[in-house]
Amino acid sequence: GQQLNQSPQSMFIQEGEDVSMNCTSSSIFNTWLWYKQDPGEGPVLLIALYKAGELTSNGRLTAQFGITRKDSFLNISASIPSDVGIYFCAGQLEGGGSNYKLTFGKGTLLTVNP
Amino acid sequence: GAGVSQSPSNKVTEKGKDVELRCDPISGHTALYWYRQRLGQGLEFLIYFQGNSAPDKSGLPSDRFSAERTGESVSTLTIQRTQQEDSAVYLCASGRGPEETQYFGPGTRLLVL
Repeated sequence: GQQLNQSPQSMFIQEGEDVSMNCTSSSIFNTWLWYKQDPGEGPVLLIALYKAGELTSNGRLTAQFGITRKDSFLNISASIPSDVGIYFCAGQLEGGGSNYKLTFGKGTLLTVNP
Repeated sequence: GAGVSQSPSNKVTEKGKDVELRCDPISGHTALYWYRQRLGQGLEFLIYFQGNSAPDKSGLPSDRFSAERTGESVSTLTIQRTQQEDSAVYLCASGRGPEETQYFGPGTRLLVL
């Protein structure tokens, strides 16, 4: 089955630092999504990417859809304590009639030290 | 509230017992999904409902797992004869359609002793 490799698994940074995480896949995706999950909550969509090469920002967050359609990265600039949580990438496969299915990475646990 | 709600929020059960988990999607959302999240892992797709179409059950891990949905409203996920490896967070999500943004509920944390 499809697999998403997400790295790093965890990060411990100082407030104000920039953060970068990425996902790679063995399959081509037509959509890349980045979610954040706070403790005890469900994932919340941060950014959605629909075109190869697309670069999209949402406040301090920036994400890109790789040219090969097999990878994506998420950057967080000037981190703040409320950025703490688990960040997941997710991909939707191209065509096949099952493009509602999301394949998730294992997540990146971000800890921000004030 | 306007979001996806799930109940119970936590469930502790003994091995071999049956459990039923409930999801109330956002009103008007035709698509509904169930996912399983094991500790330290990403989300695994379990089942998908879209309107009155036959559900996609391809992600259900065994025949002990089943789910129903009443029209375009409430869904229940049932796990029969629970096993310790069933311990996980079970997340429900709903969307306006099959390729639309999925909005997640807070999940049900299941612990099988």
